[in-house]
Amino acid sequence: ELKVEQNPLFLSMQEGKNYTIYCNYSTTSDRLYWYRQDPGKSLESLFVLLSNGAVKQEGRLMASLDTKARLSTLHITAAVHDLSATYFCAVDYITQGGSEKLVFGKGTKLTVNP
Amino acid sequence: DAGVTQSPTHLIKTRGQQVTLRCSPKSGHDTVSWYQQALGQGPQFIFQYYEEEERQRGNFPDRFSGHQFPNYSSELNVNALLLGDSALYLCASSWGPGLSFTDTQYFGPGTRLTVL
Repeated sequence: ELKVEQNPLFLSMQEGKNYTIYCNYSTTSDRLYWYRQDPGKSLESLFVLLSNGAVKQEGRLMASLDTKARLSTLHITAAVHDLSATYFCAVDYITQGGSEKLVFGKGTKLTVNP
Repeated sequence: DAGVTQSPTHLIKTRGQQVTLRCSPKSGHDTVSWYQQALGQGPQFIFQYYEEEERQRGNFPDRFSGHQFPNYSSELNVNALLLGDSALYLCASSWGPGLSFTDTQYFGPGTRLTVL
């Protein structure tokens, strides 16, 4: 069964600083997704990474995927308070039985302090 | 263009009862997936519906069942509720046959279910 691990689970950082959130997964997959969730809200799609070496950037966030290492990173550049939220990675997983599902990590709760 | 909508927003039930949650997909989408998100956890995939059939299923017991209607809207039914079923239930829509995770899934606002 696929396991998706994010670290750190909690991240408190100062405005203007850089940091990286890591997402490791245990079995082969070529598709990985990053979502943002604000408190009490639903999930907002940030990035869809569909191949090895994929890199996508939006504003102060950049995501990358290394399928050989089974690792994705979400890099935050010059953090601002508005980035405070919980960030989830999710991996597309095909079971031995042939069914397919999306498996989420536990999330990284990011707090950006002034 | 309306996004994914879910109803009700909040629901309180007691153990042993049954509940039905509803979801309308984003315009142009024909595939609906359901997720359970317990407090402080990531969402867990329950199942997906396409062409009015359950196409994929996660590790949830048969107490969880669903339906998709010809207009692509969907229902999630949970029987014999347990305290552990308390969670945020999210619906996500996408387009295409099978598991359309190659494209972005759009999530609804969720239904917060509390089981007492």
